Amino acid sequence: DQQVKQNSPSLSVQEGRISILNCDYTNSMFDYFLWYKKYPAEGPTFLISISSIKDKNEDGRFTVFLNKSAKHLSLHIVPSQPGDSAVYFCAAYLNTGFQKLVFGTGTRLLVSP
Amino acid sequence: EAGVAQSPRYKIIEKRQSVAFWCNPISGHATLYWYQQILGQGPKLLIQFQNNGVVDDSQLPKDRFSAERLKGVDSTLKIQPAKLEDSAVYLCASSFGTGTEAFFGQGTRLTVV
Repeated sequence: DQQVKQNSPSLSVQEGRISILNCDYTNSMFDYFLWYKKYPAEGPTFLISISSIKDKNEDGRFTVFLNKSAKHLSLHIVPSQPGDSAVYFCAAYLNTGFQKLVFGTGTRLLVSP
Repeated sequence: EAGVAQSPRYKIIEKRQSVAFWCNPISGHATLYWYQQILGQGPKLLIQFQNNGVVDDSQLPKDRFSAERLKGVDSTLKIQPAKLEDSAVYLCASSFGTGTEAFFGQGTRLTVV
């Protein structure tokens, strides 16, 4: 039972354009959300996070939006660069007395020059 | 600040053999995680420690997998006996506490033949 879902396995965009990666979750007990970036043969690297009490968090070219009513979050990268090409994972803490960190299946982003 | 250290980076074993992975988290991080990432999938949480206590091991195949966290610092994950389907990357991560950013090591790629 996949509680954190990334329905697009891949995304291709041109350099300079916006990349939008989406993530849906099924349980309202998720209360803290994170995005990770992963290059081949490396561990995931933390990018940006958002608490459930906010609806937007921005860090440079990266912005995360949270829509709690829709149980949906998205990561916007503007402008996209070829170095952004990687697999992006959405993750969330499930709060059921203790907080358990659950990952989505990932979206492979390819930014072409 | 030193990151999460894992060893070995790669391991090839025959089925029914045993194997152990080691993780040294970031100093001061109370929470330690072990994930299994099968090719093409997102990381799956195997076990989560808070200091030296287990807070979640619901997805750990306990008939063959075991893990311990020595004195609330280093951790080892063991598989005995290994099966072909255990071929995956095993990722260790740590965080200051739950509900905060988790930082990952480079992972151990296990191939069971």
